[in-house]
Amino acid sequence: DSGVTQTPKHLITATGQRVTLRCSPRSGDLSVYWYQQSLDQGLQFLIHYYNGEERAKGNILERFSAQQFPDLHSELNLSSLELGDSALYFCASSPSGDSREQYFGPGTRLTVT
Amino acid sequence: AQSVTQPDIHITVSEGASLELRCNYSYGATPYLFWYVQSPGQGLQLLLKYFSGDTLVQGIKGFEAEFKRSQSSFNLRKPSVHWSDAAEYFCAVVAPGSARQLTFGSGTQLTVLP
Repeated sequence: DSGVTQTPKHLITATGQRVTLRCSPRSGDLSVYWYQQSLDQGLQFLIHYYNGEERAKGNILERFSAQQFPDLHSELNLSSLELGDSALYFCASSPSGDSREQYFGPGTRLTVT
Repeated sequence: AQSVTQPDIHITVSEGASLELRCNYSYGATPYLFWYVQSPGQGLQLLLKYFSGDTLVQGIKGFEAEFKRSQSSFNLRKPSVHWSDAAEYFCAVVAPGSARQLTFGSGTQLTVLP
């Protein structure tokens, strides 16, 4: 158990809908990273937040957004969902914005039908 | 272009046999290097990491990896594979000067025969 929690574990929704994925980092960690794992794209970095501020963006679609709250938990919002958004979404946390190690949560499996 | 490559999509070994999973990277400077394992339906578990120093690093579950600068490689090894090692293995890097996000290889699926 890494200490990173993600909810929900599974999510099934229809095309066009909007969902929110939640991540709670390890106690004391200030950075949260979001990654997407899909069959065709593999594991891809989406976005990094450090202490409430966006630090870096990767291959994140404009339909997706994220935020990190004062209690350091983070939410990834996915809207206008398409079949291709079906994937496993991981968050990871690290102690600072400059840490070299990340600790991964168990992931949220999103299925868009 | 900067990349991390795992040339083997799928490897099959017999239980008790040795294992080597390959990883090559293409960056101007040496990145930070990691190996992660993902069991079916599970998250990513860090096996080992290399930042600097001794080029042979030991990890959990009996795994080790060797950094070879001349070959831009960071291959994962285990002397004797157990059935429970069947999983997908990912090599990952943190690029020099980046915002610390991980870039993953495409993964190697390991099957262990009894």
